[in-house]
Amino acid sequence: QLQLQESGPGLLKPSETLTLTCTVSGGSISSTGHYWGWIRQPPGKGLEWIGNAYYRGSTNYSPSLKSRVTISVDTSKSQFSLKLSSVTAADTAVYYCARISQEDTAMVFDPWGQGTLVTVSS
Amino acid sequence: SSELTQDPAVSVALGQTVRITCQGDSLRRYSASWYQQKPGQAPTFVIYGENNRPSGIPDRFSGSSSGNTASLSITGVQAEDEADYYCNSRDSSGREWVFGGGTKLTVL
Repeated sequence: QLQLQESGPGLLKPSETLTLTCTVSGGSISSTGHYWGWIRQPPGKGLEWIGNAYYRGSTNYSPSLKSRVTISVDTSKSQFSLKLSSVTAADTAVYYCARISQEDTAMVFDPWGQGTLVTVSS
Repeated sequence: SSELTQDPAVSVALGQTVRITCQGDSLRRYSASWYQQKPGQAPTFVIYGENNRPSGIPDRFSGSSSGNTASLSITGVQAEDEADYYCNSRDSSGREWVFGGGTKLTVL
C-alpha cells in the first residue's frame, strides 16, 4: 500500500525559504503515469494546488506561486521535495503531498500524506 | 478566486439524498475528481467522473456531469458523511489544476 509522509520545519521567519520533503513508501516513485504533487491548506480555508513533478524531471506549477516554487524528485531516496522562497505569513498552511494520476480527463490525487503545518512568523 | 465554484455549505437529513455541485468552464472538457475531508484529517479521494470509486468508498457515492457542472451525489446519507467536500479539475487553460472552494456538508 503506497504511503506518503511529509517532513520539514514547522516554523519559519518571513523571507526564509520553506523546504519540505515527502517520502514515498510501498511503491515506486519512478512509476510511469504518476506525478508527485504538493497541495496546501491555510487554517480554516480550502485546498490550493501548488504544483507537481514527474520523476523524469518535468514540472508544473500554480501560476500564482510559480515565481517562488521549485519541486524536484530524488528517485534514489524515493523522495520529492518542495521549496518555496521568500515566505510570508500568507504562506502559513498545512502542506500535503500526494500522488497524482491522470484518469481519463480527470486528475486523481491519491493517496495523500497526513500533512504538516508550517507557520511563518517573526 | 477559484475557477471551480462550489456552494459553501449544504445540509441534508439523515438517510436522504444530497447533491454537491461544482461549476466551471473547464468542466465542459475535463472530468472532475472529488475529495472528502473530515476535521483534522487529510483529504481522501472519493470518486472521479461518474462512478469511478476507489476500494473502500461505498456505492452510495456517485458522480455526474452536465455542461459546466459536475456533481457528487450521496444517496442514503450517513452521519459519517458529514465533512468538507472538494472538487478538482483543470483550469480554463487546461494546463494547471485547481480545487473548488469546498462544500461543508452537515447531516441533520
